[in-house]
Amino acid sequence: GAVVSQHPSRVICKSGTSVKIECRSLDFQATTMFWYRQFPKQSLMLMATSNEGSKATYEQGVEKDKFLINHASLTLSTLTVTSAHPEDSSFYICSGRGGSYNEQFFGPGTRLTVL
Amino acid sequence: KQEVTQIPAALSVPEGENLVLNCSFTDSAIYNLQWFRQDPGKGLTSLLLIQSSQREQTSGRLNASLDKSSGRSTLYIAASQPGDSATYLCAVKEAGTALIFGKGTTLSVSS
Repeated sequence: GAVVSQHPSRVICKSGTSVKIECRSLDFQATTMFWYRQFPKQSLMLMATSNEGSKATYEQGVEKDKFLINHASLTLSTLTVTSAHPEDSSFYICSGRGGSYNEQFFGPGTRLTVL
Repeated sequence: KQEVTQIPAALSVPEGENLVLNCSFTDSAIYNLQWFRQDPGKGLTSLLLIQSSQREQTSGRLNASLDKSSGRSTLYIAASQPGDSATYLCAVKEAGTALIFGKGTTLSVSS
């Protein structure tokens, strides 16, 4: 299968700061990127879907001004958590789909801890 | 709205036992169903993907079945090993949407 990378794998920040997470498709062009959030012992919850060059579509209850998603190229999408607060602490996982694949491929995840 | 349920939430078995994990979904109009493995603090590893037209898929000691009309899938693990200990996630895809996940079954295999 195809490979998706995420950076950083782990980040700790102070409350009120912004954090950017990068998601890259390494060997395919991801026309669609998905961002999920996973709280401890919970399932993956879809936050937003983005198509390359278009604005992201956010799921109900996800603040678009707080979770900024950029998908400017076919291999890179970024999620910026603005003015992070402790309740934003979670495991964030991106997923890409595109090229000859109809399957979603997942990154290894980013553990965000907001103090 | 599609909902995915996995039963049981947790399962403990001795090494060597065969086991079945269950997944159910509320809307049978799915495009495919996928089983994943997740180790603590890690990302997802895809195990098996079943297209809506298929009944089952096999990979090594794993066998996944799909009964779309009844909204059910099972993941069968043969001759379980301690290395199989992980959380197993079931996810369904509808046309034009992202994967929708269940909460998972946490499996513990003791030696």
